[in-house]
Amino acid sequence: NAGVMQNPRHLVRRRGQEARLRCSPMKGHSHVYWYRQLPEEGLKFMVYLQKENIIDESGMPKERFSAEFPKEGPSILRIQQVVRGDSAAYFCASSPGGGTVVNEQFFGPGTRLTVL
Amino acid sequence: KNEVEQSPQNLTAQEGEFITINCSYSVGISALHWLQQHPGGGIVSLFMLSSGKKKHGRLIATINIQEKHSSLHITASHPRDSAVYICAVGSNYQLIWGAGTKLIIKP
Repeated sequence: NAGVMQNPRHLVRRRGQEARLRCSPMKGHSHVYWYRQLPEEGLKFMVYLQKENIIDESGMPKERFSAEFPKEGPSILRIQQVVRGDSAAYFCASSPGGGTVVNEQFFGPGTRLTVL
Repeated sequence: KNEVEQSPQNLTAQEGEFITINCSYSVGISALHWLQQHPGGGIVSLFMLSSGKKKHGRLIATINIQEKHSSLHITASHPRDSAVYICAVGSNYQLIWGAGTKLIIKP
């Protein structure tokens, strides 16, 4: 049973480009959480999704950021018109049930986004 | 001032030493979590505490709710314990995370 998979592991974009980060949850998990870790800072919750639904996006910046978790395929975190401040590690976690705290979540290895 | 403060930020020790990492928080919580982040990113939950003390192998976590303070101890430390240890507090999935303590254990 593969763990949570994220790709790419490293992503380099120039300012103004789009970044697409993918997260495949563990088999049987229908709930996905995205977190951002800025350099020298703790993780911050961004968005919580269930299949085809955004449950809580209170941690997402209002502009340029969007997330989806379609019925088929991975969850996608999309950042449009990236800026240098978007450079961070983006972690995805999944859980079989909803609204779980981190001890019941399984984390992916993260995607490190660098904006030049 | 951050709502979750960890100390020290960096810790280097020799194999076998007793390690203590501290976490202080300023918000009301229902649970505190200790997690381990390995080089390369993978994050693993170690403990969830709401009171008292928990032990798992060589790891011990304690919490003092009145003082809003928790400690993570590692006994007989080993180079494979080298990682970033993160404290996070909250009552649901929207936790407040500390910045982490980077631990290096030298052989």
